[in-house]
Amino acid sequence: NAGVMQNPRHLVRRRGQEARLRCSPMKGHSHVYWYRQLPEEGLKFMVYLQKENIIDESGMPKERFSAEFPKEGPSILRIQQVVRGDSAAYFCASSHDGQGSRETQYFGPGTRLLVL
Amino acid sequence: AQSVTQLDSHVSVSEGTPVLLRCNYSSSYSPSLFWYVQHPNKGLQLLLKYTSAATLVKGINGFEAEFKKSETSFHLTKPSAHMSDAAEYFCVVTPGTSYGKLTFGQGTILTVHP
Repeated sequence: NAGVMQNPRHLVRRRGQEARLRCSPMKGHSHVYWYRQLPEEGLKFMVYLQKENIIDESGMPKERFSAEFPKEGPSILRIQQVVRGDSAAYFCASSHDGQGSRETQYFGPGTRLLVL
Repeated sequence: AQSVTQLDSHVSVSEGTPVLLRCNYSSSYSPSLFWYVQHPNKGLQLLLKYTSAATLVKGINGFEAEFKKSETSFHLTKPSAHMSDAAEYFCVVTPGTSYGKLTFGQGTILTVHP
């Protein structure tokens, strides 16, 4: 059973470009979470999605950031018009949809975004 | 509201000596608590979790943690450190419902000397 997959592992963008980060959850998992780790800081929650639904986006910046988890395919975190402050590691996690088991989240290896 | 405080940003031990990484939490609900480990440039690996069953929780690689409600603590310990334990460790809390939003501590970097 493959773990959570993220790609790309490293992404370099110039200011003003778009960044697309992909996350494939573990097999059988239908809950996806995105977290951001800024340099010298812990991880901060960004958004929680189920298939085709955003459940909680309270941690998402109000502008330029969006996320989706379509019926088919990976979850996508999209950052438009990137700025240097977006440079960070972005982690995706997934959990099973069984009652009471949502709390155990399994993390992917992360995408390290560098904005030049 | 919930929060986590990891009391030490860096801990340094010698190989073969005990490890203690301290964590205090605050939660409005009966919390679930976790410890995750992150090796350099890698993802996070779940070490152990507490979800209102036994207060002493055993995890992988010889780590364990004890939930103490009276002290609002969830310290991570290991009797004997190994070089491969060098990593960053995160204490994490959720409110104990089925809701999945994790709140992370700032992290503790563990250094193990030969």
